[in-house]
Amino acid sequence: GENVEQHPSTLSVQEGDSAVIKCTYSDSASNYFPWYKQELGKGPQLIIDIRSNVGEKKDQRIAVTLNKTAKHFSLHITETQPEDSAVYFCAASIIIAGNMLTFGGGTRLMVKP
Amino acid sequence: DADVTQTPRNRITKTGKRIMLECSQTKGHDRMYWYRQDPGLGLQLIYYSFDVKDINKGEISDGYSVSRQAQAKFSLSLESAIPNQTALYFCATSGTGYNEQFFGPGTRLTVL
Repeated sequence: GENVEQHPSTLSVQEGDSAVIKCTYSDSASNYFPWYKQELGKGPQLIIDIRSNVGEKKDQRIAVTLNKTAKHFSLHITETQPEDSAVYFCAASIIIAGNMLTFGGGTRLMVKP
Repeated sequence: DADVTQTPRNRITKTGKRIMLECSQTKGHDRMYWYRQDPGLGLQLIYYSFDVKDINKGEISDGYSVSRQAQAKFSLSLESAIPNQTALYFCATSGTGYNEQFFGPGTRLTVL
């Protein structure tokens, strides 16, 4: 089955700096890669996703890049703000297989004011 | 009101007790999921259901069972709780043909 590894497990940045979280996946058939943000005391919430037919997607301060050959994808957050502090999860799935998500282990991002 | 609700939000129980965690959704989604979250291990799928008559095991189903009482309700049971089932449990839903999963607020379960 699919295996997703996520690094780093914790990341501390100064407000205004950029943050990058990286994930690798094992199943070359995976074609959908979402990123979820989990704030304290809440369930994960989708913030951005990318399909395998594109290499990059951007939404305001967040962007995701995908390298299918190397089987890795990354989340980039620019101009970080204290409210970006949360746990971020990457995931991978095969859409036609019912979209069963395999999650990475999570990254705790701390943005220092 | 929240679209996906879970009850209870916190539960402390003893080894050997039977526990039921409940999930309800008002999103009208056919698909529902139960996940377990442990520190550093992300979210692991316990069971999933694509409609009322469809129940499937996930990657860590041993020691758990589920019931899909209606489109909107999906319950997770621990028949005989053990300490290593102490974790945060999440219910999620998704619409057929759509990728995004919507998560409930979670239930923190402690088994002593």
